[in-house]
Amino acid sequence: GAVVSQHPSWVICKSGTSVKIECRSLDFQATTMFWYRQFPKQSLMLMATSNEGSKATYEQGVEKDKFLINHASLTLSTLTVTSAHPEDSSFYICSATGLAKNIQYFGAGTRLSVL
Amino acid sequence: RKEVEQDPGPFNVPEGATVAFNCTYSNSASQSFFWYRQDCRKEPKLLMSVYSSGNEDGRFTAQLNRASQYISLLIRDSKLSDSATYLCVVNLLQAGGYNKLIFGAGTRLAVHP
Repeated sequence: GAVVSQHPSWVICKSGTSVKIECRSLDFQATTMFWYRQFPKQSLMLMATSNEGSKATYEQGVEKDKFLINHASLTLSTLTVTSAHPEDSSFYICSATGLAKNIQYFGAGTRLSVL
Repeated sequence: RKEVEQDPGPFNVPEGATVAFNCTYSNSASQSFFWYRQDCRKEPKLLMSVYSSGNEDGRFTAQLNRASQYISLLIRDSKLSDSATYLCVVNLLQAGGYNKLIFGAGTRLAVHP
């Protein structure tokens, strides 16, 4: 149980385009979903926290207009990187919590490369 | 100062060795503590939770010292498959009731034959 699916696993795009990443909880209802970013040889950094049906809470330094988060249902959250640039190239990982709020289940991550 | 600090390693050890990782955290309000394992280009996976009373899972033993804000992980009888990056993680309860995980940068372990 507690499977989180993330799609796509890898995306290459041109600078200036937008990229949407999906995160789905497959066998539980995710009251809260989290989006992280990890640059090479660095730790995962929380970008934002989203609760179903409400606006996401962004961490300091994360541009909410650039990283659009939608959490319209209890099983799906999306992250859209708008007008992507090479410096946005990173490993993006989502996670979700269900009833046990202190346990996060992670998706497999999305590797974004912006040319 | 980083919220969660770890020795980046790498730790290069032979099979069968015992290896210990240390971690310190800065926020005394941290509520729960974990070790995660991350393989190259993969998502982190929960290895074990960490308690003040200490806990053991097979070859892995974790310990928490709240007074000194220090967390440890001991791996006995290292296997080749233990090669990975080990992430020290603390959980902070945020306003609104949700939990925030703070990740260390990880300690890399390489086990060789």
